[in-house]
Amino acid sequence: GESVGLHLPTLSVQEGDNSIINCAYSNSASDYFIWYKQESGKGPQFIIDIRSNMDKRQGQRVTVLLNKTVKHLSLQIAATQPGDSAVYFCAEKGVVSTLGRLYFGRGTQLTVWP
Amino acid sequence: DGGITQSPKYLFRKEGQNVTLSCEQNLNHDAMYWYRQDPGQGLRLIYYSQIVNDFQKGDIAEGYSVSREKKESFPLTVTSAQKNPTAFYLCASSQGTEAFFGQGTRLTVV
Repeated sequence: GESVGLHLPTLSVQEGDNSIINCAYSNSASDYFIWYKQESGKGPQFIIDIRSNMDKRQGQRVTVLLNKTVKHLSLQIAATQPGDSAVYFCAEKGVVSTLGRLYFGRGTQLTVWP
Repeated sequence: DGGITQSPKYLFRKEGQNVTLSCEQNLNHDAMYWYRQDPGQGLRLIYYSQIVNDFQKGDIAEGYSVSREKKESFPLTVTSAQKNPTAFYLCASSQGTEAFFGQGTRLTVV
């Protein structure tokens, strides 16, 4: 079945450094991918998304890269700040236009040290 | 403001009791979802609904029930059949792209 996983459960970086959070997915037919940020005790918040017809998408201080050949997704955070400390989840969907379910990975805990 | 509201934020239940978690959205989204999150874990899908009066089981539906009588509302009942109900419950809604989440309900069995 479909599954989305993460390579590393924890990541520690120093303030100001760049962070890279990785995600692997198993369904080559997946059409849409999303990164979420979850702070302690709160619901996940949308960060950025990317469709399968793209390799890269940039937002404010964040970039998502999609490598369909190896079924790998990454989130890059530039100049990481203490407020970026949270759990980051990738999610995957078979077809972006449908109302079907999202599949979530296990999550990566990002800790930013001053 | 548009969004998803979950209530209550904290809920305590005695063993053997059913309890209902509320989820309301004013985003006019067709799809709604319930997820369970345990400490240090990801999100596991309990139930989802793509349209009013219809819903499908997710990966861990046993011990839970839902209804979708109105587009705006998707309540989740945790029944006494759920053997380990203590968890953080998240509701979400979507209209085809990203899902928008509520702030969660933390359920504790005492």
